[in-house]
Amino acid sequence: AQSVTQLGSHVSVSEGALVLLRCNYSSSVPPYLFWYVQYPNQGLQLLLKYTSAATLVKGINGFEAEFKKSETSFHLTKPSAHMRDAAEYFCAVSEARGGATNKLIFGTGTLLAVQP
Amino acid sequence: NAGVTQTPKFRVLKTGQSMTLLCAQDMNHEYMYWYRQDPGMGLRLIHYSVGEGTTAKGEVPDGYNVSRLKKQNFLLGLESAAPSQTSVYFCASSSSLGGSSYEQYFGPGTRLTVT
Repeated sequence: AQSVTQLGSHVSVSEGALVLLRCNYSSSVPPYLFWYVQYPNQGLQLLLKYTSAATLVKGINGFEAEFKKSETSFHLTKPSAHMRDAAEYFCAVSEARGGATNKLIFGTGTLLAVQP
Repeated sequence: NAGVTQTPKFRVLKTGQSMTLLCAQDMNHEYMYWYRQDPGMGLRLIHYSVGEGTTAKGEVPDGYNVSRLKKQNFLLGLESAAPSQTSVYFCASSSSLGGSSYEQYFGPGTRLTVT
């Protein structure tokens, strides 16, 4: 069964520093992978997605993620953190490609704090 | 486009009371989902629907019922609320068309407290 592990429930960086949020997945089939962001008291917004095209995926707000099959990872990065990046980030994996439900399995989330 | 909307935004219930949460989407999506979000547990799927008139259980369905009488609406019901159902509830929808890549669109959430 598919699963997602996000290492680090809380990550704190200084403004201007590199952001690295880790996500490892388990999937028996080539997956679709997603990063969502949740700002305080809001719903989830899609940051980026991997759908088996380029392994380096660029998203909104300067974020990007690299799909590494050998490491079963899909880590999220941003070269320089801004205060507005403070939010909770969720990694998700598709339950099964070609299925008829589009179900996603979500990780437990990483809360990113950005210090001035 | 309003996208996915949820009603109400906040609600406080007493144990044993019932309520219905409404989700509406204007993107003509076939698939709809109800999740609950609890601290440290991410999002857990309660029920989902792959089309009008169809529903299915997700990961944590106990204590909840759903209905999809119209394609654009997905209702989540709590027949007898319990304190363990205190949570933030999110609705999402997704297209069944090829190329959608499983992307789900989320509503703003409903914060429910059961006392």
